[in-house]
Amino acid sequence: EAGVAQSPRYKIIEKRQSVAFWCNPISGHATLYWYQQILGQGPKLLIQFQNNGVVDDSQLPKDRFSAERLKGVDSTLKIQPAKLEDSAVYLCASSSQLNSPLHFGNGTRLTVT
Amino acid sequence: KNQVEQSPQSLIILEGKNCTLQCNYTVSPFSNLRWYKQDTGRGPVSLTIMTFSENTKSNGRYTATLDADTKQSSLHITASQLSDSASYICVVRKGSGANNLFFGTGTRLTVIP
Repeated sequence: EAGVAQSPRYKIIEKRQSVAFWCNPISGHATLYWYQQILGQGPKLLIQFQNNGVVDDSQLPKDRFSAERLKGVDSTLKIQPAKLEDSAVYLCASSSQLNSPLHFGNGTRLTVT
Repeated sequence: KNQVEQSPQSLIILEGKNCTLQCNYTVSPFSNLRWYKQDTGRGPVSLTIMTFSENTKSNGRYTATLDADTKQSSLHITASQLSDSASYICVVRKGSGANNLFFGTGTRLTVIP
């Protein structure tokens, strides 16, 4: 079984620029999550999708962050404009259904200078 | 408030030695607790899952315990190896709600030769 794929692995941008991350979940997994993990901390949920609908985005900074999962498979997370405090690893995870175990991708490490 | 606290924050041990990591939680109602291993630059990978009725579960050299009465869990690593160097994250699932996963901040374990 192929795992959760994320790209790019690394991204360095200047503040006020925009950036997008891509995630391809495990085939057949209905639930997809985006987490932000700041160095030395546990992952923090940004948004959770069930198929192509949003289950929870209460902790997503909607003034600058957006995410979509148009066809219920791949997902993109965008930041525009980026701030220095957005420097973190962005992890995508998927599960077969809402309360099933999570499978994580290897993340995208974002550095904002 | 639903919280997960882990200790110690970091730990350095000699190869071959044992160690125990702690996780205390206040999440209620409780559904299950997972220990994840996160290698540097990788996403978390599940090691064990503990449900309410389970006290002990082993996965090779990893043994997790759960005391649901005191809301404490531990992860014991036996005969540590260099490859055990990683962050270990405790994640508690609440028994209700959509955004029902609560992450600890992790314990950073370094095994030295």
